Amino acid sequence: DIVMTQSPDSLAVSLGERATINCKSSQSVLYSSYNKNSIAWYQQKPGQPPKLLIYWASTRESGVPDRFSGSGSGTDFTLTISSLQAEDVAVYYCQQYYYIPETFGQGTKVEIK
Amino acid sequence: EVQLVQSEAELKKPGESLKISCEGSGYTFTSYWIGWVRQMPGKGLEWMGIIYPSDSDARYSPSFQGQVTISADKSISTAYLQWSSLKASDTAMYYCARQNNGYDSPFDAWGQGTLVTVSS
Repeated sequence: DIVMTQSPDSLAVSLGERATINCKSSQSVLYSSYNKNSIAWYQQKPGQPPKLLIYWASTRESGVPDRFSGSGSGTDFTLTISSLQAEDVAVYYCQQYYYIPETFGQGTKVEIK
Repeated sequence: EVQLVQSEAELKKPGESLKISCEGSGYTFTSYWIGWVRQMPGKGLEWMGIIYPSDSDARYSPSFQGQVTISADKSISTAYLQWSSLKASDTAMYYCARQNNGYDSPFDAWGQGTLVTVSS
């Protein structure tokens, strides 16, 4: 299985400040036909199912605020929240969807400082 | 609007069997893979497996192969996750989710979750 490792496990950021979450895959997840990386990011708020934020490592899902952005290539990827809002308090997960099983990272909890 | 509606919470005893469901609406059910994801209490997301309802082609994570069965009934736009003999360690929230473009794609719509509690 591909192992997805997120860092940090948790972080506390002041309102309006930047939050950065890292995700490392144990193998390349480059979909060569598209020249895109098969990485998605999800947001899960307490008591709710996950919500897709980003796919192909950097494509924002429709309706997702532009303060959320994804980047990276090879085996290292990043989710950035440019200006943290109160409603962004949640756990964030990366996922690779290139190999079956399509594994998730362990999650990063984002809180307000 | 794409919707996945899951069956209600279940309380079962160890050794019992169980089948939970996920009904899709608002899209062509047979054209998208449906997956199942486990979330144990206070823990992260675990990918269990997926199914293509059009032909019931199913793929499993090695961690769940042989432990659960994923099936679908395309005539009623419903996918299922079933156990033949539950264990206490199966206690978890189970989500179904739709993959948006083939099995190598992210989950773009999620069910509300079905809480399964296994306790004697």
